[in-house]
Amino acid sequence: EVQLVESGGGLVQPGGSLRLSCAASGFTFSSYSMNWVRQAPGKGLEWVSYISSGSTTIYYADSVQGRFTISRDNAKYSLYLQMNSLRDEDTAVYYCVSAGILTGYYKSGFDSWGQGTLVTVSS
Amino acid sequence: QSALTQPRSVSGSPGQSVTISCTGTSSDVDSYKYVSWYQHYPGKAPKLIIYDVNKRPSGVPDRFSGSKSGNTASLTISGLQAEDEADYYCCSYVGSYTFVLFGGGTKLTVL
Repeated sequence: EVQLVESGGGLVQPGGSLRLSCAASGFTFSSYSMNWVRQAPGKGLEWVSYISSGSTTIYYADSVQGRFTISRDNAKYSLYLQMNSLRDEDTAVYYCVSAGILTGYYKSGFDSWGQGTLVTVSS
Repeated sequence: QSALTQPRSVSGSPGQSVTISCTGTSSDVDSYKYVSWYQHYPGKAPKLIIYDVNKRPSGVPDRFSGSKSGNTASLTISGLQAEDEADYYCCSYVGSYTFVLFGGGTKLTVL
């Protein structure tokens, strides 16, 4: 069974930094691309960042480009999101999400989701 | 690029069918077969229910079906059940860099 467990969320002041982690299990982590998706309070889902299985291809949403950095450690079955220069509008639940495990192709859909970790940016 | 457009809410009675639309543009929904749908209960992890426009992951009831015509994708839920009351989001692959767009979400109420 695929399991994704996020950690690292919390309260941070505007301009501060936070590093989210996602521990993966139940599948061959190194074979699949991964994503971060977030949901601000009362808002819809927003894709944040993508990283290919071997870290060779990385994409970011315009809203976080230049401030957030996605990375992974395949040996540790772990995904990360380094968030710098945080803003009020980054307040959200952040989900670690896999692609291609159930669907067979990374473009087909986000097939497994963690429970999420809450990031609150406030002074 | 803007988010895909979904109705904010839809409703139906048990046993009925409802359809949720997802409207994009020629650059997203109309250009790719990679439209997916997610069921989301507040406080829980979203769940993939449709991918590649009309495919269902294992375990998703066949009451859920997807389709696409031009720049509009649709999710149809037939034989509505109380447990279907949730938020539903569409999503489309839009190419490298922008990668994907989500719809704004639709709240389904089972009357």
